[in-house]
Amino acid sequence: DVKVTQSSRYLVKRTGEKVFLECVQDMDHENMFWYRQDPGLGLRLIYFSYDVKMKEKGDIPEGYSVSREKKERFSLILESASTNQTSMYLCASTPGTGSPYEQYFGPGTRLTVT
Amino acid sequence: DAKTTQPTSMDCAEGRAANLPCNHSTISGNEYVYWYRQIHSQGPQYIIHGLKNNETNEMASLIITEDRKSSTLILPHATLRDTAVYYCIVRSFNDYKLSFGAGTTVTVRA
Repeated sequence: DVKVTQSSRYLVKRTGEKVFLECVQDMDHENMFWYRQDPGLGLRLIYFSYDVKMKEKGDIPEGYSVSREKKERFSLILESASTNQTSMYLCASTPGTGSPYEQYFGPGTRLTVT
Repeated sequence: DAKTTQPTSMDCAEGRAANLPCNHSTISGNEYVYWYRQIHSQGPQYIIHGLKNNETNEMASLIITEDRKSSTLILPHATLRDTAVYYCIVRSFNDYKLSFGAGTTVTVRA
């Protein structure tokens, strides 16, 4: 089974802190994604990566950066956390671009910024 | 991408089949229909996808109408663990991202 793991299930940080969210997949997938999910707004793509050291902005990249130094690991960085970044963060991976490849999601990290 | 329309919620009795409808009347020829579900406080889980033929796997069946404007996800024997929000998504071949709408909240009752 494909396994996507995220470093924390729940995280509480203070405004202005630098926050690292880590994601690891064990299936040698090329593509990895970071989404956030908010009530009423659905799932929104923050960044994705199609190869090591390669990244592309999604729909809402402002306030975030990413790092992919190894194929299996994709990190999301909040340079200076703000309260409007309180959300559920979901990492996903997929073996190829586009259909018909399904995305495999991690369990999510619920981040609260106070 | 084409948009989808799903009922807001539905109930299902445990052990019975659950039929979840989805309308995607503006779907184009190269777009696939995907279904995901999300159990409370967990990440989304892929269920099944199809282009135009009906599909079946160990979790569910997907029935796509001949004109491809609608589809039905069938959970053949619903269990309490199938209680979740179910998302119908239409996605083109080259599209790398997923967008979830509100989905259908399915509650399986004993």
